[in-house]
Amino acid sequence: NAGVTQTPKFQVLKTGQSMTLQCAQDMNHNSMYWYRQDPGMGLRLIYYSASEGTTDKGEVPNGYNVSRLNKREFSLRLESAAPSQTSVYFCASSEALGDRGRNTIYFGEGSWLTVV
Amino acid sequence: SQQGEEDPQALSIQEGENATMNCSYKTSINNLQWYRQNSGRGLVHLILIRSNEREKHSGRLRVTLDTSKKSSSLLITASRAADTASYFCATAFYGGSQGNLIFGKGTKLSVKP
Repeated sequence: NAGVTQTPKFQVLKTGQSMTLQCAQDMNHNSMYWYRQDPGMGLRLIYYSASEGTTDKGEVPNGYNVSRLNKREFSLRLESAAPSQTSVYFCASSEALGDRGRNTIYFGEGSWLTVV
Repeated sequence: SQQGEEDPQALSIQEGENATMNCSYKTSINNLQWYRQNSGRGLVHLILIRSNEREKHSGRLRVTLDTSKKSSSLLITASRAADTASYFCATAFYGGSQGNLIFGKGTKLSVKP
């Protein structure tokens, strides 16, 4: 039972390049998330998917796109990478959104992205 | 911002001592959760406390919630070097447009052997 798996673990990009971060969960969760973590900023939500077929913007969506490919997979794409997107990216999932106690979030191990 | 704010930002203690971290938030919440992050790893859920609960225990962890003060505390008793990590509170609040958890910036705990 792998939980949340994200790839790649490390990536260096040149400004303007594009790339996709892949994420898959095997817990049959409905909701999936992409966060970024920067020093002194905590975790900030980029995009989330409440359920298969839906995606919504989070706090910092600019410069990113997402695809909820199926119930298991949720990818994050940087179309034209910028140095400001240098960060650690976390994919996560939960049974559901909302406030009914099923919103405990399970995180992947992170992807370290550097844009030069 | 609807974020929880942890206090202190950093805490250094000796093994065997208790560690207390605090979290304050701004709006009414439905539940509050604490997460732990070891260096270079993802966050791991520790405990959830609902708005109608005042205290909850899990092993060496004790969480309190004071909704009148909009604050929570996480107490780790008899700390161990392995407790060295960053600890985050996360709030699920009523009427949130995102319907998800909002994380604070974390408390970095260092437990010296």
